[in-house]
Amino acid sequence: DSGVTQTPKHLITATGQRVTLRCSPRSGDLSVYWYQQSLDQGLQFLIQYYNGEERAKGNILERFSAQQFPDLHSELNLSSLELGDSALYFCASSVRANTEAFFGQGTRLTVV
Amino acid sequence: AQSVTQPDIHITVSEGASLELRCNYSYGATPYLFWYVQSPGQGLQLLLKYFSGDTLVQGIKGFEAEFKRSQSSFNLRKPSVHWSDAAEYFCAVGQFLFSGGYNKLIFGAGTRLAVHP
Repeated sequence: DSGVTQTPKHLITATGQRVTLRCSPRSGDLSVYWYQQSLDQGLQFLIQYYNGEERAKGNILERFSAQQFPDLHSELNLSSLELGDSALYFCASSVRANTEAFFGQGTRLTVV
Repeated sequence: AQSVTQPDIHITVSEGASLELRCNYSYGATPYLFWYVQSPGQGLQLLLKYFSGDTLVQGIKGFEAEFKRSQSSFNLRKPSVHWSDAAEYFCAVGQFLFSGGYNKLIFGAGTRLAVHP
């Protein structure tokens, strides 16, 4: 158990819908990262937050957004879902930028 | 641009045999390097990391990796593989921040390891 908690574990939804994925980082970790894992793209960085502020953006679609709350948990919002958004979404956390990141178990999103 | 190459998509070894998984990176500065393992239906578990110092690093589950700057490599090794090591292994490099540390991981495509009894 990495200490990073993601909910839900599985999500099935229809095209056009909106979903929210939740991540609770390890106790004491200030930095939260979101990654997408798909068969064709592999593991891709989406976005990073540090202590509530957005620090880095990767190939995150405009339909996707995220935030980190004062209690340091983070949410990834995916809207106008398409079939191609079906993937495993991981959250990771680290204490600081120069320490290792620990990953949650992921949320498997299936868009039908 | 930074990149990570894992040349072997699939590797099959016999239980008890030694293992080496290859990883090459493309990065201008001193890299932060990682190996993660993903078992079926599971998340990514950190095996080991290299930030600086001794180029041979020890990790969990009996794994080790050696950083070779001249070859831009960070190969993962294990002297004797167990059936439970069957999984997918990912090498990653941290994209450096001028202020120190990294802000994202760039992953290789992964190597799927099968272990024969």
